[in-house]
Amino acid sequence: AQSVTQLDSHVSVSEGTPVLLRCNYSSSYSPSLFWYVQHPNKGLQLLLKYTSAATLVKGINGFEAEFKKSETSFHLTKPSAHMSDAAEYFCVVSDRGNTPLVFGKGTRLSVIA
Amino acid sequence: DTAVSQTPKYLVTQMGNDKSIKCEQNLGHDTMYWYKQDSKKFLKIMFSYNNKELIINETVPNRFSPKSPDKAHLNLHINSLELGDSAVYFCASSRTPGTSGRFYNEQFFGPGTRLTVL
Repeated sequence: AQSVTQLDSHVSVSEGTPVLLRCNYSSSYSPSLFWYVQHPNKGLQLLLKYTSAATLVKGINGFEAEFKKSETSFHLTKPSAHMSDAAEYFCVVSDRGNTPLVFGKGTRLSVIA
Repeated sequence: DTAVSQTPKYLVTQMGNDKSIKCEQNLGHDTMYWYKQDSKKFLKIMFSYNNKELIINETVPNRFSPKSPDKAHLNLHINSLELGDSAVYFCASSRTPGTSGRFYNEQFFGPGTRLTVL
């Protein structure tokens, strides 16, 4: 069975500084991994996905994530935070296509001016 | 053009009532899902339908019943509403997992329906 752990429930950064949101996963198979973002009172938007191609995945809005099998990690990064990045971020794992997505508990990102 | 839409966006009702939430997707997907997001933002799958057939039914009270009239729609009916049903419910859709050449499961989410039971 798959699971995902988001190591920080809340991360606060200053505008213009780097963002790091940490995620570790557990999977019996080669997983597919995703990061979704949820802005306040909005739905979920896919930021990026890893599907066994390149281990460094680029997403929208300048976000990246690196799949590290040896560390079972899929941390989300961005070089420079913007105020509009303030939102809830979910790391998600799927073992295989016909199993449900399993969500982490989310990390709330605050960006300080 | 909205890819996955839900109605209503907000739903306030009394305990014991029966209510429905509608979901429609115009992406041509044949798998649809319902998720529940609790007050702590935790998201959990409730149901998954593929080509109008139920394929995932997590531990959900049988007061909740999904209905799929066609591949583009998956409605959620809730009977005898309870206080604990208050949450945000998200609909999502995807192509049939595995059909994209890789067993992954990129899902597109609707905007959510905030249900408040008084």
